[in-house]
Amino acid sequence: GIQVEQSPPDLILQEGANSTLRCNFSDSVNNLQWFHQNPWGQLINLFYIPSGTKQNGRLSATTVATERYSLLYISSSQTTDSGVYFCAVLASGGSYIPTFGRGTSLIVHP
Amino acid sequence: GAVVSQHPSRVICKSGTSVKIECRSLDFQATTMFWYRQFPKKSLMLMATSNEGSKATYEQGVEKDKFLINHASLTLSTLTVTSAHPEDSSFYICSAREQLAGEGNTQYFGPGTRLTVL
Repeated sequence: GIQVEQSPPDLILQEGANSTLRCNFSDSVNNLQWFHQNPWGQLINLFYIPSGTKQNGRLSATTVATERYSLLYISSSQTTDSGVYFCAVLASGGSYIPTFGRGTSLIVHP
Repeated sequence: GAVVSQHPSRVICKSGTSVKIECRSLDFQATTMFWYRQFPKKSLMLMATSNEGSKATYEQGVEKDKFLINHASLTLSTLTVTSAHPEDSSFYICSAREQLAGEGNTQYFGPGTRLTVL
């Protein structure tokens, strides 16, 4: 099946810093989502982005489907950005079962 | 965005009892719901895919007689952990798939249920 790798696995930032999280996938996809899991466990959908670029406030994401990767940018990080960021993909070919990466654990210090 | 609720958010039970967890899509119909299990500092592990009106599809290694799934309507799926044991203690998360025009299949997650079996 499709493989999803996220990097870095852990990231520690000072408040106000910028960061880039990466998601590589091994096959073509027809769906890619970025999620944020807050310290209480709630998973929040950030972006649905199988291709192209989207922005929402301080967050933006870019997926280059032909090169099989997606990037999540966090600018001017805040302590509330702490948590785990997951990338999940749906492989092309009719699958509707998502494959998750292992996540990037982000800690933002005040 | 679409909202998925999960109840209860936290449950503590004695070994040998059964626990039911409900997952509801509040403002959309979900023909497919997913049940995940998450261990501390780990990614989500898909347990089963629940389709409305039909039997759930379980992932390899997941005991279907232990983790009973019922998807009785387009807005409700339930997971029952039968004869729970301490090793079943975990964070259980459901998600519902919403198909939007131009947005493909977007997944929305419930807030999770933390199960502790004593």
